[in-house]
Order: sequence, then C-alpha cells, then structure tokens
Amino acid sequence: EAGVVQSPRYKIIEKKQPVAFWCNPISGHNTLYWYLQNLGQGPELLIRYENEEAVDDSQLPKDRFSAERLKGVDSTLKIQPAELGDSAVYLCASSLDLGAGVGNEQFFGPGTRLTVL
Amino acid sequence: LAKTTQPISMDSYEGQEVNITCSHNNIATNDYITWYQQFPSQGPRFIIQGYKTKVTNEVASLFIPADRKSSTLSLPRVSLSDTAVYYCLVGDMFVAGNNRKLIWGLGTSLAVNP
Repeated sequence: EAGVVQSPRYKIIEKKQPVAFWCNPISGHNTLYWYLQNLGQGPELLIRYENEEAVDDSQLPKDRFSAERLKGVDSTLKIQPAELGDSAVYLCASSLDLGAGVGNEQFFGPGTRLTVL
Repeated sequence: LAKTTQPISMDSYEGQEVNITCSHNNIATNDYITWYQQFPSQGPRFIIQGYKTKVTNEVASLFIPADRKSSTLSLPRVSLSDTAVYYCLVGDMFVAGNNRKLIWGLGTSLAVNP
C-alpha cells in the first residue's frame, strides 16, 4: 500500500516568491493534516481537513498561507509571498478516522524542505 | 489542553531497555496518550497508543499509572536503528471537528550507542 506522497521534496525560493506543496494521502483516509516543523522542534499543526472541510485552521497564517482539498482527496498548501521565516519542513499526514477514537493514527509523508533565501 | 513534558535527550547502548517518561499533569478524562518516532529527514511514525494501565505491541510497551498524570514508553533491547526523536502526545481522540487538539512538544532525542 502506498504511503502519503508529498512533492516536491525540496524547494529553494527567494523571499516574496510564491510556493506550493502537494500532498496525496493514503487512499480512503478522510482526515488530512498539514504541519510545519522547524529544526529541533515538534510538528505544529497548520490545518486539518475532514474530507473537504477545513475543521481546524486556527494556526494557519491566513494573510499569506492558503490550502485546499478538492474532492476530499489531494491537498495543496500555498504560501504567497514567502518570507525568510517560512523556511522549515512542511509535513502532510492522513488518518482513517472511523470515529470513536478508532483509526486516528496519523501516517506522515516525508515532508517538503523549504528554504527561503 | 494537556501539555506534555519529556526529557530533551537520552543515551543508551545496544541491547539495553530504554524507558522514556512523559508528564501530562492536566490530562483530561477523554484524553489518550500516543507516542510517535521520528528519524532524520522523515515524517513521524506511530508507535503506540493507550488510555490506562499497560499496552504492548511488537515494538514497544506503554505503561500508564492509575492517575494517568504520566506515561512511560518502554523500548526493549534497543539497537542502533532506534536512534530517533520520540514524541509523546495527549489528546481527545473521540471529539471530531475543531475540538480535537494534539500538541507536539519537543520530543526526546534518543541516542543508542554501540
């Protein structure tokens, strides 16, 4: 079974440029997460989708970050314009979430390492 | 929201048992305890989850005392490949929507030496 797929794996851009990350979750997983991880820190949730609905985007900097999950499958996270402080690893995860605490294990992709110059 | 506290780092040797303790003093009634492992340049990977007493799977055991204010991840006979960062998370797995919050701390960096 294929895991969570993310692309690109690495991205280097200059500040003020736009950038987009793509995530394909495990087939059948209805919950999708985008995290940001700085070096030496734990992941920080940016947004969580249940199917196509963003149910938690309270930590998403909406002035420059946007995300979408069309048809409740693939998802794209965009930053426009990028700032130096956005350099980090962006992780995508998915979970099955059958309800009542079943299937809440998160499966992570390898992440996209963003460097903003 | 239940905050967790773990040691920043631990050292061990191959073949030893490693116990990593996580404190979560304000854990709520519906909160579960979940541990993840993360290798460099990879996303975290689920290890084990529990609510109370003891849970064991093929890779680890999780010990949770009656008051649930702490938990201990036990890795039996570690090898060099167990060198990684281990995260303890506490959160309500039953509540959907915006009410379910999971906070990732700094994790524990485990170094297994030969």
